[in-house]
Amino acid sequence: SYELTQPPSVSVSPGQTASITCSGDKLGDKYACWYQQKPGQSPVQVIYQDTKRPAGIPERFSGSNSGNTATLTISGTQAMDEADYYCQAWDSNTGYVFGTGTKVTVL
Amino acid sequence: QVQLRESGPGLVKPSQTLSLTCSVSGGSISSGNYYWSWIRRPAGKGLEWIGRIFTSGSTSYNPSLKSRVTISLDTSKNHFSLNLSSVTAADTAVYYCARDRRFFFDFWGQGTLVTVSS
Repeated sequence: SYELTQPPSVSVSPGQTASITCSGDKLGDKYACWYQQKPGQSPVQVIYQDTKRPAGIPERFSGSNSGNTATLTISGTQAMDEADYYCQAWDSNTGYVFGTGTKVTVL
Repeated sequence: QVQLRESGPGLVKPSQTLSLTCSVSGGSISSGNYYWSWIRRPAGKGLEWIGRIFTSGSTSYNPSLKSRVTISLDTSKNHFSLNLSSVTAADTAVYYCARDRRFFFDFWGQGTLVTVSS
């Protein structure tokens, strides 16, 4: 089955850049997207189709996907960005696959 | 703006069937080329996709759950449903429904906690 791996945690200072990686076999050949989930809330999409931002998502969120790695970058991180982040892709054999999740802490 | 809301029992006994409904408002469930998916998140764990249904009624399921899952669509009530049979404590989770744009989910319900316990 297809798997996506993320670092368990990322720490960042306010105003700095946070980068979250998502690794999977030939992930660059698939569309990757990213969700933000805060405690007690449902996930919110922040990036879809590798690089696109849904309406209402701040420009500080950006994405890339190449080779075996997709990356979510949060530029000028704010305290409100503290949350769990999940990557996700579609695999023809497995269906939807979510990454293992990364907890972003803004110190 | 499409809105989704999950409903169903919050407590299910082991070996029984978990049944949830997702009511969709702000749009017809049968219009547009959308899929409709179920996703769950066990406590302390990550998100897991359960399965989805297309407006035509065709379904696809997570291979790890396929033998126990059925997803159905009721266009007259504008909702879709999840049945998960032979549940165990491992099925305790927050269950979400979501609109599925084929490669990603753009609208999610607020989630509903289902606990499997005797």
